[in-house]
Amino acid sequence: DAKTTQPNSMESNEEEPVHLPCNHSTISGTDYIHWYRQLPSQGPEYVIHGLTSNVNNRMASLAIAEDRKSSTLILHRATLRDAAVYYCILTPNSGYALNFGKGTSLLVTP
Amino acid sequence: DAMVIQNPRYQVTQFGKPVTLSCSQTLNHNVMYWYQQKSSQAPKLLFHYYDKDFNNEADTPDNFQSRRPNTSFCFLDIRSPGLGDAAMYLCATSRVGGRETQYFGPGTRLLVL
Repeated sequence: DAKTTQPNSMESNEEEPVHLPCNHSTISGTDYIHWYRQLPSQGPEYVIHGLTSNVNNRMASLAIAEDRKSSTLILHRATLRDAAVYYCILTPNSGYALNFGKGTSLLVTP
Repeated sequence: DAMVIQNPRYQVTQFGKPVTLSCSQTLNHNVMYWYQQKSSQAPKLLFHYYDKDFNNEADTPDNFQSRRPNTSFCFLDIRSPGLGDAAMYLCATSRVGGRETQYFGPGTRLLVL
């Protein structure tokens, strides 16, 4: 499985945008880029996913580099409730299991 | 409305005493997964079912078994829990395909005394 690299932790001020980077230099052409987050004492929850084009939903935006070797999850206005571990995960088109890396622990300060 | 339900939320068992964790889903998804998450670590896939087909991860200990009697329910059996099996156990479901979303339950935290 292709691996991802994320910073261990990041910090943001409340109501500011947050850009969470992910490197995936060995991504294959059919791998989807998924982002999940896990709030304290909860199960992971889906945030967003994409293949080649940038994606937007009500939670976040996903910016995918043209060569697909990196991507960035964008939270437009961080709130205290966004403090969580964010996981960037690649899934092959034919597969479905998630191979979690260490993720980025996001701290949001008032 | 709860979509993936795990019971109980907390389970205490004794060393070596078999324990069963349960998961149910209202999404009618083909695939059900069990993950183990130890403290300060990422979730680790133990096994999954694609319909009735069981798929075990290569490094999942034999101590861990699973049953899926129907589409809605899946069970995790730990035959002889050791202290190292204390963890959060997460159940998830999805349709088939790399672009499909996985829906997770709240987890069952297992304590082994």
